[in-house]
Amino acid sequence: EVQLVQSGAEVKKPGESLKISCKGSGYSFTTYWIGWVRQMPGKGLEWMGIIHPRDSDTRYSPSFQGQVTISADKSITTAYLQWSSLKASDTAMYYCARRADSNSFSLDYWGQGTLVTVSS
Amino acid sequence: SYELTQPPSVSVSPGQTARITCSGSTLPKQYAYWYQQKPGQAPVLVIYKDTERPSGIPERFSGSSSGTTVTLTISGVQAEDEADYYCQSADSRGIYWMFGGGTTLTVL
Repeated sequence: EVQLVQSGAEVKKPGESLKISCKGSGYSFTTYWIGWVRQMPGKGLEWMGIIHPRDSDTRYSPSFQGQVTISADKSITTAYLQWSSLKASDTAMYYCARRADSNSFSLDYWGQGTLVTVSS
Repeated sequence: SYELTQPPSVSVSPGQTARITCSGSTLPKQYAYWYQQKPGQAPVLVIYKDTERPSGIPERFSGSSSGTTVTLTISGVQAEDEADYYCQSADSRGIYWMFGGGTTLTVL
């Protein structure tokens, strides 16, 4: 069974750093891209970027380029999303999801989401 | 920048047909994908490559495409279909992906 299990909710202060994770199982982790999606409170889905765990080829949405870092460790089948200095506006639910295949832009399996709250 | 435009809301009575549109300049060149999201849950893929339905998705969900507009159609809407629906696609080079703003389907 394909599963993406994300790390737990986080409460941080502005200026702090954070790294959240997404562990894949039940499939060949190095075969499929992993994407990250933000959902701010009461708002829609926003595509942040995507990484291929095989070689860490990474693409960022222009809206998130330079604001976050996406990485992956194929040895432990885990992808990451990290911030070096959080802002209150980073408060959101973050989802990781698997790209279905290289000929499709769909995300077929999703993690349960990680809620990040940034507040002083 | 590339944008996908959806109506904020659609309302239908049970048993009727709901149609949710998504418009964007990239859609003649790239496939569209549709996700259903219920409160407190992660999104679920309901249509891929404009018209294909993943296994496990009810037959009442279908997709179509015409020019710069794609449409998600839910025939015989049920109360359980009440959710937010998002279209998604990519730029012409397939490098940058984007979601539409989302449509809230209300079953009256």
